[in-house]
Order: sequence, then structure tokens, then C-alpha cells
Amino acid sequence: KAGVTQTPRYLIKTRGQQVTLSCSPISGHRSVSWYQQTPGQGLQFLFEYFSETQRNKGNFPGRFSGRQFSNSRSEMNVSTLELGDSALYLCASSSSAPAGNYGYTFGSGTRLTVV
Amino acid sequence: QKEVEQDPGPLSVPEGAIVSLNCTYSNSAFQYFMWYRQYSRKGPELLMYTYSSGNKEDGRFTAQVDKSSKYISLFIRDSQPSDSATYLCAMLDYNTDKLIFGTGTRLQVFP
Repeated sequence: KAGVTQTPRYLIKTRGQQVTLSCSPISGHRSVSWYQQTPGQGLQFLFEYFSETQRNKGNFPGRFSGRQFSNSRSEMNVSTLELGDSALYLCASSSSAPAGNYGYTFGSGTRLTVV
Repeated sequence: QKEVEQDPGPLSVPEGAIVSLNCTYSNSAFQYFMWYRQYSRKGPELLMYTYSSGNKEDGRFTAQVDKSSKYISLFIRDSQPSDSATYLCAMLDYNTDKLIFGTGTRLQVFP
């Protein structure tokens, strides 16, 4: 069965630009979460969507936004990029929210570099 | 102070050694405890999941939870070079439904 697919794998953007990242969850999974991973801070929770509704949100500025479509695919958008936004962005899906016994299945991430 | 503290390592051990990885936490609302393994350039993959205090074993891996001390451990027996990765503990906050991760411990097992 296909895993969590994130596209693109790598991105280089300039400060001030905006970016959209995409995540396709495991078939049948209705919950999608987004995390930012940096060497200093580790994984930090951005937001979680379940059945097209944002059910949870982390402590990130409003420049970070997301949405989920009826097929459970999700996108996250970062506007007015800053150098500090350079990170690995990970998407995780689960069949329920919260994840329960099966935890979250992560994609391989999108590596965003802001120059 | 972070809600979850994890020694970043790196931890370097010879093949066949027993490895102990640990996390401490401060929030009593953490009720579900997980260990993830992350290889370079990959996303984290779930290794172990446990809810109650005590031990849970799966092959060479044992997860241990001590809620009274707010301390969790992952033991790896007969470690292999293929175990070389970053190990992340994660805890689900019962009040907020948020999954909080430790910063990860980098493990290297040399032949």
C-alpha cells in the first residue's frame, strides 16, 4: 500500500516569496498533520486537519496556513518567506484523530531552503 | 524548559551492544508514548507505541514507561549497524491532542 507522499522533495525559494507544499496521505487516512523539523528545535507541530477541518494548531505565525481537500490530500502554504523558514517540512497521516494505537505515518518530507 | 527533554547524543556503540535511549517529560497530561526512528533524508517511522507504565517488547526493542518519574526509555538489544539512525520520543498530550516530540538522539552502531 502506498505511503504518505510529499511533493516536491526539494525547494529553493527567495526571501519574501511564498511556497505551497503538498501531501497525499495513505489511502483511507482522514487525518493529516504537518511538522517543521530543524536541527535546533526538532519537530514542531504546525497544524492538523481531519475531514477538511483544522482540529489543532501549533504556535506558528499566520504566514503558515494549510487546508485539506475532500480526498484528504493536504497543502500547506508559507507566505513572505524568511530565512528561518528553511527546514524539513513533514506531513503525517493517521486513520483517526488523535492517532491512537497505530500512531502517525510520516512522509519523507519537503526540504525547503530560503535564500 | 522544554516539555520533553532528550539527550541529542551522538551515541556511538559497537555492534551487539545494548543501547538505552531516554526521554524525560514534565507534563502530566502526556498519556501515550511513542518511539520513532528516522534515517537520514527520510521521515520518522513508528517503532513502538505504549500507553501504560511498564515494559513493552517487540523483537530486539523494549519500550519502558515510568509515569511516576515522567521517564521513558527505549532499549535496543544486539544492536546492528542498520540501527544507526536518529531516535525520537513522542508523547500525546491528552488535553490538547498534540503530539510533542523530543529533539532526537543520534545513534551510530559501528561494526
